[in-house]
Amino acid sequence: GAVVSQHPSWVICKSGTSVKIECRSLDFQATTMFWYRQFPKQSLMLMATSNEGSKATYEQGVEKDKFLINHASLTLSTLTVTSAHPEDSSFYICSARDRTGGSYNEQFFGPGTRLTVL
Amino acid sequence: GDSVTQMEGPVTLSEEACLTINCTYTATGYPSLFWYVQYPGEGLQLLLKATKADDKGSNKGFEATYRKETTSFHLEKGSVQVSDSAVYFCALSGHKFYFGSGTKLNVKP
Repeated sequence: GAVVSQHPSWVICKSGTSVKIECRSLDFQATTMFWYRQFPKQSLMLMATSNEGSKATYEQGVEKDKFLINHASLTLSTLTVTSAHPEDSSFYICSARDRTGGSYNEQFFGPGTRLTVL
Repeated sequence: GDSVTQMEGPVTLSEEACLTINCTYTATGYPSLFWYVQYPGEGLQLLLKATKADDKGSNKGFEATYRKETTSFHLEKGSVQVSDSAVYFCALSGHKFYFGSGTKLNVKP
């Protein structure tokens, strides 16, 4: 149980285009999902917290208009990188928190999406 | 604020050697503590966790004990294998999830 998927697993796009990454909780409902960014050989950096049915909460220094987050249902959150540039190239990882509360403070991580902007 | 500090790597060991990766934390309240493992090109996988003081998490031969008195959660394994080569992250769940910087483990045959 507690499986989180991401799609796509990797994407290459041209500079100036937008890219959407999906994060799904497959066997549980997640009121809260998180988006992280990981640079090579570094730790995960929390970008934003996504709550179902409400606006995402962004961490300091993360551009809201650049990284659009939508959490339309209890099993799906999307991250759209708008007008992508090479410096946006990174590994993006989502995680989800089970709403049932049995493991309330545990997060389940997706496999990550490798974004390369040419 | 809450934070996690773990030893820097890389750590290079021979197969069957003992492993210890140090992790200490600062937190208000009573966080849960986790170790995650990341294999090359992949996401994070939960390795083990402990939710309260003196709890011992264990999985696949790895162990870590939640020590409140020393605010530590060191990862240990008695005999590492080549397949254990990966990056290991210590994390705590407080107001948010806080990750350590990661420790790369290289196990040589």
